[in-house]
Order: sequence, then structure tokens, then C-alpha cells
Amino acid sequence: EAQVTQNPRYLITVTGKKLTVTCSQNMNHEYMSWYRQDPGLGLRQIYYSMNVEVTDKGDVPEGYKVSRKEKRNFPLILESPSPNQTSLYFCASRTSGGSEQYFGPGTRLTVT
Amino acid sequence: QKEVEQNSGPLSVPEGAIASLNCTYSDRGSQSFFWYRQYSGKSPELIMFIYSNGDKEDGRFTAQLNKASQYVSLLIRDSQPSDSATYLCAVISFSGGYNKLIFGAGTRLAVHP
Repeated sequence: EAQVTQNPRYLITVTGKKLTVTCSQNMNHEYMSWYRQDPGLGLRQIYYSMNVEVTDKGDVPEGYKVSRKEKRNFPLILESPSPNQTSLYFCASRTSGGSEQYFGPGTRLTVT
Repeated sequence: QKEVEQNSGPLSVPEGAIASLNCTYSDRGSQSFFWYRQYSGKSPELIMFIYSNGDKEDGRFTAQLNKASQYVSLLIRDSQPSDSATYLCAVISFSGGYNKLIFGAGTRLAVHP
């Protein structure tokens, strides 16, 4: 089954404790993205990757890091999480010319 | 900054009625347009895409595109309570060296029995 997976689905952590949210897709897609979604603000892109070892900042990259060492994986790293990073996070993937973007199930992060 | 604008709603319609959701976009060069449905706490799922001016129908859904007016709409006929969700309009714009998918903030639809 074609899918994007994310782990963990729910995470409660404390300020400053480094965390990683994993994302994996099995569709051989070139493009992968991370979004955060907050009430009233819609989906905002954090980082994106056009292929292995090619990443760039989206609209709200501050406080986040990513890497793309393999085509299927695109982890999101929060080196020192803060309460303003409490949000619902989605990973997504699509082909370079693709019309459909596939989303992972989401990770709900709470930073206290 | 290229933008996609939607009325946040909620748009409340009775069961069986037509729901009309609207979206405007700022990039005249955009060529691809999408409607996603998102249930609360769930991930967005693609329900329609449209590339050409005019109407595109798929079951109870019709997407309408007017590039001259930079306007996209989604009509849902015979609305059902299960259609209650947030509908996200998305547009592909060439930005930062690649084709970026830009989302509106979404319109919340409530279908009441």
C-alpha cells in the first residue's frame, strides 16, 4: 500500500529536550515536505526536499532541522524544542511533476 | 509572497443542499489547483484537482476554475453530514526554484441534518 508514515503520532516533551520525528514514504517520490498546522493559520511549510541531499527552507524553518540521506526518509529534528513549537505536524511526499501530494497521518507535539 | 485566500467559515448548510466553497490566488502563473478535505485531527486528502478553465465533475463534487479572475471553487451537491470537514484549497506556484504547493487556511463546512 502506498503510504507516508510518521512516528511518533503523539509526543509530549519538555522545553529543550531534543527530539526527532521520523517520516518515511514507499512511493519513490522525489519531493518531501514538512508542514505544521495551527488553528487559523492553515498548513505552513517548514522544510522541503527535492531529492536526496537537497533540502531547503520553507516558510517557517526557525527551530527545525531536516536531513535527506535516503530517498524514502525525511526526519524532522527539533534540537531545542520550545512551547511555541506545540503543533500538529504533517510530512508529505509527491513526484517532481506530480499532481497529488500524499500526507502522513500527523504527529501531535506538545512542548511544556 | 504568493497567497491563497479562503473564507474560514464556518459555512453551514442543510443536508441535501449545495455547498459552495471559494478560493482566490495571487499568482497569475499558477497552472494546477487542488481541493483537499481534512477531518478534524486527520491528514488532508485530495478530493479534486483541476488544470483548465471551466468545470470538472467527479460524483457529487464539481471544481470550477476561472484563471482570468484567479478564482477556484468547489461545489458539493446533495451535502451530507459526513461532508462536514475543513476544505483546503491549494495551488502550485513556481517559487524558490521549484513548483511549490501553497495552501489556503481552509474553509470549515458544517452540514446539519
